[in-house]
Amino acid sequence: AQTVTQSQPEMSVQEAETVTLSCTYDTSESDYYLFWYKQPPSRQMILVIRQEAYKQQNATENRFSVNFQKAAKSFSLKISDSQLGDAAMYFCAYRSKDGNKLVFGAGTILRVKS
Amino acid sequence: NAGVMQNPRHLVRRRGQEARLRCSPMKGHSHVYWYRQLPEEGLKFMVYLQKENIIDESGMPKERFSAEFPKEGPSILRIQQVVRGDSAAYFCASSPDRAYHNEQFFGPGTRLTVL
Repeated sequence: AQTVTQSQPEMSVQEAETVTLSCTYDTSESDYYLFWYKQPPSRQMILVIRQEAYKQQNATENRFSVNFQKAAKSFSLKISDSQLGDAAMYFCAYRSKDGNKLVFGAGTILRVKS
Repeated sequence: NAGVMQNPRHLVRRRGQEARLRCSPMKGHSHVYWYRQLPEEGLKFMVYLQKENIIDESGMPKERFSAEFPKEGPSILRIQQVVRGDSAAYFCASSPDRAYHNEQFFGPGTRLTVL
């Protein structure tokens, strides 16, 4: 079974600075999707960015980018120019090719200091 | 296009009562997924349904929990004889089909509190 590990329960960043959230996963599959979701205090799950395993190029969405290292099974999220609105719980998630379910990590709380 | 709708947003039940959680997927979506988020934890998959069919219920507790997605109307997650350990946020997600590249769109969740 696939597992997702987020080793940082909590991170802090100064406004306008850059922060990196870590995620590792375990799978025997070669083709899959990886996601980062943001969960603000409202609890709404918001998709931040996704990466297709067969693509070597790292995904980028505005201030959000990933460092996908397939051999190391690592999928970190970099947030540049951090804003107060980025403060939230961030979840890393894996989805295998059968597409039935997302497997989530335990989450990282991101605090943004002004 | 309205997003995934869940109701109620908050539900309070006493031990032994039944809880019924509803999920209306996005328009055009025929695949529904239920997840549970216990306090201070990530979301855990419970069940995957298509219209009138349960496709994968590998994450559902064996007793007291059931789910359906009828031909007409919303998907229902039903918890019978609730216990305090059922207190959690329950999220529904939908997708247009099961292609694995398709994003699952999440609803706002139902927070269940069992007294």
